[in-house]
Amino acid sequence: QKEVEQDPGPLSVPEGAIVSLNCTYSNSAFQYFMWYRQYSRKGPELLMYTYSSGNKEDGRFTAQVDKSSKYISLFIRDSQPSDSATYLCAMISRDDKIIFGKGTRLHILP
Amino acid sequence: DTGVSQDPRHKITKRGQNVTFRCDPISEHNRLYWYRQTLGQGPEFLTYFQNEAQLEKSRLLSDRFSAERPKGSFSTLEIQRTEQGDSAMYLCASSLPGLITEAFFGQGTRLTVV
Repeated sequence: QKEVEQDPGPLSVPEGAIVSLNCTYSNSAFQYFMWYRQYSRKGPELLMYTYSSGNKEDGRFTAQVDKSSKYISLFIRDSQPSDSATYLCAMISRDDKIIFGKGTRLHILP
Repeated sequence: DTGVSQDPRHKITKRGQNVTFRCDPISEHNRLYWYRQTLGQGPEFLTYFQNEAQLEKSRLLSDRFSAERPKGSFSTLEIQRTEQGDSAMYLCASSLPGLITEAFFGQGTRLTVV
């Protein structure tokens, strides 16, 4: 079992819809949970990170962590075609490395 | 541009050749990471440095791979005797120690081995 599991998609939704992206993880020691966005042939860019359980909101993006279920989510409200990208969930290991999921390819249809 | 810079952006090489990539981190960042990303996968950790010291190497990093950061500034990743399986995007990231949540990634070097 990989440490971080993420459905690769692709996920296609109409413009304006709410998008829900999810990951599960197996290592209960993870404390920091991150979401990156990666456009085609570009490096990942950090969207937001959360420490421990709870919600964090930044504009149209909300990150949610449920440590009891080892489940994290990213919600995108009022989705735009420019949100079309691969979204990578990631966690920080005890030895300070970023452990990534496979990424979910998201297409927002105009 | 004050971000992480990687050079070259693309490299096509014949199997068996040696290649070297360069990463220039953000100037005050003394942590530097190398990751590899293959198609349809997330980035996988290869190695990282604090200043000039290489602190850890992944089992993914075979003996054909070597990374250096001689003066604690830029870093190089060399692959000797390239194989088709080495084709991937090689990503570099930098951060301050203890602030990996604020690591910045470069645009990557895309390697194609033919």
